[in-house]
Amino acid sequence: DIQMTQSPSSLSASVGDRVTITCQASHDFNNYLNWFQQKPGKAPKLLIYDASNFETGVPSRFSGSGSGRNFSFSISSLQPEDTATYYCQQSYTLPYTFGQGTKVEIK
Amino acid sequence: QVQLVESGGVVVQPGGSLRLSCAASGFTFSDYGMHWVRQAPGMGLEWVAVISFDGNDKASADSVKGRFSISRDNSKNTVFLQMNTLRLEDTAVYYCVRGDPMPDFDLWGQGTLVTVSS
Repeated sequence: DIQMTQSPSSLSASVGDRVTITCQASHDFNNYLNWFQQKPGKAPKLLIYDASNFETGVPSRFSGSGSGRNFSFSISSLQPEDTATYYCQQSYTLPYTFGQGTKVEIK
Repeated sequence: QVQLVESGGVVVQPGGSLRLSCAASGFTFSDYGMHWVRQAPGMGLEWVAVISFDGNDKASADSVKGRFSISRDNSKNTVFLQMNTLRLEDTAVYYCVRGDPMPDFDLWGQGTLVTVSS
C-alpha cells in the first residue's frame, strides 16, 4: 500500500496569510494526487486533482504542485470560509489511501 | 441536479448485516465507476470499495475484504454496499463517491451513518 504522510496535522493562520500543506508518499507514483476540503458535518469536496488541476469552480487562491513522492497544497490568501480539514489522497493504485488530514483554523 | 443520495444507515449489533444504497441522478450513471469511502467519528477518510462502470470489476480495502461487497444496478442508477459480520470499528459515516472517468472522487453524497453497537 502507498502510505500518505500529511503535515502539519493542524495550523492556525491569519486572514490573508499564505498557507502550505505537504503530503509525502511512501512510494513514487504517477501524479494521481487529489486534495479535498472538508468542513464540519459536510462531505469532502474535491479541490485539486492530478496534483495541480483545479476542479471546476474552485477559487484560484487554492493550488497544488509536486511530483514523485512529494506534493504540496497552498492557499495563497487565507479566507475565513477556508476553515476546514484538508486531505490529500492518491488515486493511482489500490487501495486508494488518504493522508491524515490538516485542520486549518483562522487565528 | 447532479447528486448522490445515500440511505440505509442504522444502528446494528456486532455481527449483524446491513445494505447501504446510493441513488444517483443528474448524470449518466452507467458511464462511471463508483466508490464507497467511510469516516469514523472524529477520524480521517478511509477508502472502502470501488466498482467499475459496468459492474464487472470490483475491489475493496483489506479491512473489509470478505465481509463487505459492492454492487450496482445501472437500470436503477443505484450502487450498493452489502455489509456483513459488522464490527464495532465499522462505525462510520459512509459516503458514496463518483469514480472515473476522470476526475475521480469529484462528486460525493451527503453520507449515511452506520453505528455498530450492542
